Amino acid sequence: QVQLVESGGGVVQPGGSLRLTCAASGFTFTKYVMYWVRQAPGKGLEWVASIWYDGSNDNYGDSVKGRFTISRDNSKNILYLQMNSLRVDDMAVYYCARPGGYCSDGVCPPPRMDVWGQGTTVTVSS
Amino acid sequence: DIQLTQSPSFLSASVGDRITITCRASQGVSSILAWYQQKPGKAPKLLIYAASTLQSGVPSRFSGSGSGTEFTLTISNLQPEDFATYYCQQLHSLPITFGPGTKVDI
Repeated sequence: QVQLVESGGGVVQPGGSLRLTCAASGFTFTKYVMYWVRQAPGKGLEWVASIWYDGSNDNYGDSVKGRFTISRDNSKNILYLQMNSLRVDDMAVYYCARPGGYCSDGVCPPPRMDVWGQGTTVTVSS
Repeated sequence: DIQLTQSPSFLSASVGDRITITCRASQGVSSILAWYQQKPGKAPKLLIYAASTLQSGVPSRFSGSGSGTEFTLTISNLQPEDFATYYCQQLHSLPITFGPGTKVDI
């Protein structure tokens, strides 16, 4: 079945780095835009980054721009989030998510995030 | 950036109630708006997309409406499993943004 499984979270000191991984299965990964979304403890949801199906374009939220890099390996069906210069306010559960469809022949389905992983927890603390 | 506000932020309700949550956008987002349900310790679950389209497998007691800057999520005949936090999300423009959430509690 369609599944996203995140890993790579852990405890890191401020200023440190971490790479998150999202393993995709059960669908044609190479056709889909992919997202990272995070949720700080007790807070709401925040979009972090998106990457096109072929990795040719990426976008970031202002709070992570210049520090985080989203990438993908379509040969392995894996999505990554490289997080550098981590700050205390980056502490959160990080989810990868997949949209409900993909563009075909220039026609795109209504945007939404319909498949989510279980999340991986990043703790930034000295 | 498009800001989303939700009202109320907290809602106390009972099983069988009909409730409505409102999401307002600081700029028009056409119908490019989704609603999610989240329970503690779990990932968000898509309920509604394109403002009013029910996601497959979601009970018909959930419905969405609106376009432009004002949207509503309505839950009819509230069930025990519906007590959760609900978020709206706009995907019309980058950055993608979420509302602050509405917690529905007993």
